[in-house]
Amino acid sequence: QVQLQESGPGLVKPSQTLSLTCTVSGGSISSGTYLWSWIRQPAGKGLEWIGHISSSGSTNYNPSLKSRVTISPDTSKNQFSLKLSSVTAADTAVYHCARDYISGWYGTDYWGQGTLVTVSS
Amino acid sequence: DIQMTQSPSSLSASVGDRVTITCRASQNIFSHLNWYQQKPGKAPKLLIYAASNLQSGVPSRFSGSESGADFTLTISSLQPEDFATFYCQQSYSTPRTFGPGTKVDIK
Repeated sequence: QVQLQESGPGLVKPSQTLSLTCTVSGGSISSGTYLWSWIRQPAGKGLEWIGHISSSGSTNYNPSLKSRVTISPDTSKNQFSLKLSSVTAADTAVYHCARDYISGWYGTDYWGQGTLVTVSS
Repeated sequence: DIQMTQSPSSLSASVGDRVTITCRASQNIFSHLNWYQQKPGKAPKLLIYAASNLQSGVPSRFSGSESGADFTLTISSLQPEDFATFYCQQSYSTPRTFGPGTKVDIK
């Protein structure tokens, strides 16, 4: 059974960098079948795809966030991370990590429970 | 970006009702359409992938279909545990985009 778990600071000051880590168990982020994603959801609002990384390290980012986002892997720990720079209150949200498929055929089938990040001074 | 629309944005229904939610993509996504259920405080749960394929472990009262540009999620007989918000998502291209959601609550 694949499990994903987000971790990182729950409070970030405006203009600073949000950093989160997703630890994957029950599966390898080095598998060529999957994409490892970050998705966020502001309170009371819908889901926003942030980006994903493949086993080869190839990344795709939401154009609306691209200038501020970096997703990177740590294969030795079976983790991948999210960095979002120059945050504002609009970045306050629950951040989920999740598993997607390179083919795009099978949906996003495993999700972390999510972690709330608040941007405030 | 591919834009996803959903209708209705909310609906009220009773246990046992047949419920239908519709999603439309702004361009052809070649059946790369997924449906998720989200309950408050929880992560989304994949129900249907590739427009009409039931995810393992999901009750058979959930089904998906497509007709032209429209995709439909149907709950054949609404159960108490089904009250939630439902999202469609296209996985044909990046950025992956979600519909705005349909909230299903108790009448």
